[in-house]
Amino acid sequence: GAGVSQSPRYKVAKRGQDVALRCDPISGHVSLFWYQQALGQGPEFLTYFQNEAQLDKSGLPSDRFFAERPEGSVSTLKIQRTQQEDSAVYLCASSLADHTYGYTFGSGTRLTVV
Amino acid sequence: GDSVTQMEGPVTLSEEAFLTINCTYTATGYPSLFWYVQYPGEGLQLLLKATKADDKGSNKGFEATYRKETTSFHLEKGSVQVSDSAVYFCALKGRQAGKSTFGDGTTLTVKP
Repeated sequence: GAGVSQSPRYKVAKRGQDVALRCDPISGHVSLFWYQQALGQGPEFLTYFQNEAQLDKSGLPSDRFFAERPEGSVSTLKIQRTQQEDSAVYLCASSLADHTYGYTFGSGTRLTVV
Repeated sequence: GDSVTQMEGPVTLSEEAFLTINCTYTATGYPSLFWYVQYPGEGLQLLLKATKADDKGSNKGFEATYRKETTSFHLEKGSVQVSDSAVYFCALKGRQAGKSTFGDGTTLTVKP
């Protein structure tokens, strides 16, 4: 596609509910990244895929967070038993193999846990 | 670990004023440095980058020079426009594969 597409744009979840956030990267982009952005702060790294392989998940804040990219294109970030501190914008980005040249970000999913 | 410190905002300027947004970093080795911009209601967009010391990144009239001796990557523009109003993020790509580290962003408002 022309850009990185994320869905839904907005999600309101009740505390304890499971959510799934989708990312559709630019076609041909090998690398895919998930970031979490709290209000008034910069993006914080969550996890990184190269093709279908999850090479780094050191930023995932707890075992309630899980990400997958089974066919090396679309990725899903799943949050189980959501809590209020999970409220944030979740950003997906993709890049060609060498991301030294920067990312292309999606518009993000704003998650609000009530 | 890696870190990025940006000048606190918000910054308010009149149209055609000179802009500087300060950014300093801490990292081991030789990181790549970036500025991203986020316009209202949109996602982050890469504005410019520099991959080694003394490189100057430039785009849309914005410039930043990678200064290893001062560990800085300050963003400048000679004459800002109302359309430059946005949030600007400084970031670095260090040794850890996949991870970039971002500053907290600086909000710029340009008034006519």
